[in-house]
Amino acid sequence: QVQLQESGPGLVKPSETLSLTCTVSGVAIRRHFWSWIRQSPGKGLEWIGYKYYSGSTKYNPSFESRVTMSLDTSKNQFSLTLTSVSGADTAVYYCARVQNYDFSHYYFDSWGQGTLVTVSS
Amino acid sequence: DIQMTQSPSSLSASVGDRLTITCRATQDISNAVAWYQQKSGKAPKLLVYAASRLGSGVPSRFSGSGSGTDFTLTISSLQPEDFGTYYCFQDNTHPWMFGQGTKVEV
Repeated sequence: QVQLQESGPGLVKPSETLSLTCTVSGVAIRRHFWSWIRQSPGKGLEWIGYKYYSGSTKYNPSFESRVTMSLDTSKNQFSLTLTSVSGADTAVYYCARVQNYDFSHYYFDSWGQGTLVTVSS
Repeated sequence: DIQMTQSPSSLSASVGDRLTITCRATQDISNAVAWYQQKSGKAPKLLVYAASRLGSGVPSRFSGSGSGTDFTLTISSLQPEDFGTYYCFQDNTHPWMFGQGTKVEV
């Protein structure tokens, strides 16, 4: 079955760039859309964006000026880059597979375990 | 942006109880709603998508209903493993949005 594993630095300094990688096993990443979702401490879930291997990309406007997502089909990985971070970006970051239904609707059916990123000097 | 408001924010329940959680959208979102369960320190798990379709492997005591702006998640007979936080989610309109969560406690 599909498995997702996030990796990356657990500590990032304010104003610097947060970079995370999600390694996928059990399915070729070119077959699906992939998303990043985060959860600030003690708070709810926030969708960051999605990407498909064809290039189709959609970001939450709350992050659009700072976020980039990319896919590496040779390594079966997809990545998140978030620039100019602040304490408000401290959160558990999840990668998730996006499933399509009825042509134009989507849901997350598989999730990584999540990785905590703390923004602090 | 479409906002998703869940009620209640938290509730106490007992094993065997019938539970209903509601989610209201600020605009008509057809049936583009999913429900997730999250346990402490774990990733969310899909329960329902398309408002009423059960996710793979999800027990039949879970059910979803609704369309337009009002949606419900029902647990017909609460089991010990069902305690946690439940989130609704809409993908009808960007940005996709989660509800604020409903915490189910003993």
